[in-house]
Amino acid sequence: AIQMTQSPSSQSASVGDRVTITCRASQGIRNELGWYQQKPGKAPKLLIYAASSLQSGVPPRFSGSGSGTDFTLTISSLQPEDSATYYCLQDYSYPRTFGQGTKVEIK
Amino acid sequence: EVQLVESGGGLVQPGGSRRLSCAASGFTFSSYWMTWVRQAPGKGPEWVANIREDGSEQNYVDSVKGRFTISRDNAQNSLYLQMNSLRAEDTAVYYCVGDFSPQSGGIYFDAFHIWGQGTMVTVSS
Repeated sequence: AIQMTQSPSSQSASVGDRVTITCRASQGIRNELGWYQQKPGKAPKLLIYAASSLQSGVPPRFSGSGSGTDFTLTISSLQPEDSATYYCLQDYSYPRTFGQGTKVEIK
Repeated sequence: EVQLVESGGGLVQPGGSRRLSCAASGFTFSSYWMTWVRQAPGKGPEWVANIREDGSEQNYVDSVKGRFTISRDNAQNSLYLQMNSLRAEDTAVYYCVGDFSPQSGGIYFDAFHIWGQGTMVTVSS
């Protein structure tokens, strides 16, 4: 199975800050990666698919980039409602695998 | 309203069986790949299994192969997960997920954009 490694595991930032989360795959996965946001007690929510395509209804301050083994989720201007845990998920091969998550907190 | 509603969770003894159901509404269920994702308490999500739109293909994570079976009834807009030989490590919230599978450049991507509220399965004696 492809291993997905996220960094950092947690991050604290101020409102308005630019936040970057990285995800590295153990082998090349082209651009077959999604990003999900999860708040406590809720199901994950799709933010980005195909590495850089913004899901309908998701604020444009979220963006994704990368291809091959290295990917990035960027929040251009952190808002209070962005406090959550973020997960990457590869859909290049089976079984699909999630990263271990990055918890983003507001200072 | 687009909706997925899971049912069937509960307490089950190790070695026992449980069948989860997921009722879909508000979208064309028969046009979607469907997936089960689970999340153990305090852990990240884990992809469990998926099934093609017409039910002709299923895929599983290794830890459930031979024990779990995913199936669907498009006439009833329903997805199922039959879980046998349950273990303590299967304890989790199980989510039913709809994937609209966008395509670009000949590649179909996963895009899990419809999620149920989840149903808790606890495996314990």
